[in-house]
Amino acid sequence: EDQVTQSPEALRLQEGESSSLNCSYTVSGLRGLFWYRQDPGKGPEFLFTLYSAGEEKEKERLKATLTKKESFLHITAPKPEDSATYLCAVSSGAGSYQLTFGKGTKLSVIP
Amino acid sequence: EAQVTQNPRYLITVTGKKLTVTCSQNMNHEYMSWYRQDPGLGLRQIYYSMNVEVTDKGDVPEGYKVSRKEKRNFPLILESPSPNQTSLYFCASSRDRVSPLHFGNGTRLTVT
Repeated sequence: EDQVTQSPEALRLQEGESSSLNCSYTVSGLRGLFWYRQDPGKGPEFLFTLYSAGEEKEKERLKATLTKKESFLHITAPKPEDSATYLCAVSSGAGSYQLTFGKGTKLSVIP
Repeated sequence: EAQVTQNPRYLITVTGKKLTVTCSQNMNHEYMSWYRQDPGLGLRQIYYSMNVEVTDKGDVPEGYKVSRKEKRNFPLILESPSPNQTSLYFCASSRDRVSPLHFGNGTRLTVT
């Protein structure tokens, strides 16, 4: 059974204080690892897909990296508008179309 | 504009009264899925569909039904809702298994 664990559950940062969110996973054949951002009361919004260990993707202040066991979402010099819950999800092989989500990290950036 | 549309956004009902939550996508996506989101439990998959007339159970299918008669629509049916189905529901679609999901804005269901 695929498992995804995100840490920390919640993170408070001062504006400009860089940090990282962690997503550890156990899957039988990784097809893709996804990062989403979710604002309160809204559906998750896609950020990145990573397919293989060593891959990195960047978008504005966010950078996602992937190893064989975990992924990191690095946030550089965050702003209050980066406050949201960040979700990690994995798609595995074995012919299944299921996608397994972690429980998310709630990020608060304080001005 | 590419989007996944769910209706209604909010729904309050009573135990046992059948209801349907509609979901429609305009991106010609083959894959569609329903999730429920509960505090402390995260997003859990209810049912998914790989194409028209092809559906399969997710992690928490009990008490739900789905159908996929047209590519764009994927309604979620609760034949006899119970209070433990009170939750925030999301419909999502994607081109295929390794493409990112596009989510609707959610349906907040309360069953009393």
